[in-house]
Amino acid sequence: DVKVTQSSRYLVKRTGEKVFLECVQDMDHENMFWYRQDPGLGLRLIYFSYDVKMKEKGDIPEGYSVSREKKERFSLILESASTNQTSMYLCASSPKTWYGDAEAFFGQGTRLTVV
Amino acid sequence: EDKVVQSPLSLVVHEGDTVTLNCSYEVTNFRSLLWYKQEKKAPTFLFMLTSSGIEKKSGRLSSILDKKELFSILNITATQTGDSAVYLCAVLSGNQFYFGTGTSLTVIP
Repeated sequence: DVKVTQSSRYLVKRTGEKVFLECVQDMDHENMFWYRQDPGLGLRLIYFSYDVKMKEKGDIPEGYSVSREKKERFSLILESASTNQTSMYLCASSPKTWYGDAEAFFGQGTRLTVV
Repeated sequence: EDKVVQSPLSLVVHEGDTVTLNCSYEVTNFRSLLWYKQEKKAPTFLFMLTSSGIEKKSGRLSSILDKKELFSILNITATQTGDSAVYLCAVLSGNQFYFGTGTSLTVIP
């Protein structure tokens, strides 16, 4: 079974702190994604990566950055946390899709509260 | 701009009822449509649909895709309280997944 693991289920951080959310997958997937999920807005893509050291901005990248130094690990960084970044963060991975269809496999989510 | 729209946003039914959830989409490079179930944790995969008119079934759940009209439906028959969840529709377009806002289903005993 594919396993996508996020480092924390719940986090509480203070405004202005630098926050790291870590995601690791064990299926050698090329693609990895970071979404945030808010009531009424669904899942919105923050960043995705289709290879090591490669990244692409999603729909809402402002206030976030990412790092992918190894294929299995994709980190989301909040440079200076703000209260409007309080949300559920979901990491997902999928195999490269150019040559076929694929599904996204999700981590368990990190509920971040910025106070 | 690629988008996925789900309706209704929320639904409350009684056990035993049948429900139909809707998903319409407009994307530039359609590859497949996926349904997920989310119960206060990670979304879990239900179905992947790539061809029109072919129904996918799993127990009381079924889904079908219409690529001409650009929509899909998810049916749940004889609903149970364990079906209470948010149901997410996603479309794989190019190399990205586009999600709808989800339909929140509550099944009352």
